[in-house]
Amino acid sequence: AQSVSQHNHHVILSEAASLELGCNYSYGGTVNLFWYVQYPGQHLQLLLKYFSGDPLVKGIKGFEAEFIKSKFSFNLRKPSVQWSDTAEYFCAVNGHSSNTGKLIFGQGTTLQVKP
Amino acid sequence: GAGVSQSPSNKVTEKGKDVELRCDPISGHTALYWYRQSLGQGLEFLIYFQGNSAPDKSGLPSDRFSAERTGGSVSTLTIQRTQQEDSAVYLCASSLFGGSNGNTIYFGEGSWLTVV
Repeated sequence: AQSVSQHNHHVILSEAASLELGCNYSYGGTVNLFWYVQYPGQHLQLLLKYFSGDPLVKGIKGFEAEFIKSKFSFNLRKPSVQWSDTAEYFCAVNGHSSNTGKLIFGQGTTLQVKP
Repeated sequence: GAGVSQSPSNKVTEKGKDVELRCDPISGHTALYWYRQSLGQGLEFLIYFQGNSAPDKSGLPSDRFSAERTGGSVSTLTIQRTQQEDSAVYLCASSLFGGSNGNTIYFGEGSWLTVV
């Protein structure tokens, strides 16, 4: 079955701490991977995406993610978080051969950054 | 428009009533998706449109749910005889093309539905 698992449901960090949010997927075939962010009161926005090539992907606002194929993982990282990073983060996957491109999402991780 | 537009942003309805949720995708986007986000849950895929056709309706939870798209643009999601478990945020998204060819899927702000 196609699925995405995000291990951390709720993370609390102090400003300047480093962040790593886990994401593992189950999907047959070659995949595309995404991290979306939803700031309070706002719509989902794309943080970064991986389609092919360099498995280390850099996104907006200093975020990066690394695709490790052997581990079926796409963890999100940021060296030093800010209060403004408080949001909900969603990992998602679709398949290269998908006719629809529909995304399969994880349950999300709520990040709270304390000033 | 500049982004995916959804209306109403909030809807409170009585159990048993029908509701319609509207989505206006980004101009020129041929692919349109509906998702549902329930409290504490991730995003659950409902239906996918390519143009006016819906080749993937696999996520619609029951026959009370239906959707249509006209003119390759606006889409309406209809929930008949609403139940309390239908309470959720209904998200619409669009992309330039369907399929997984590298294009980005853009989301609207959602329609918050509360069934009382």
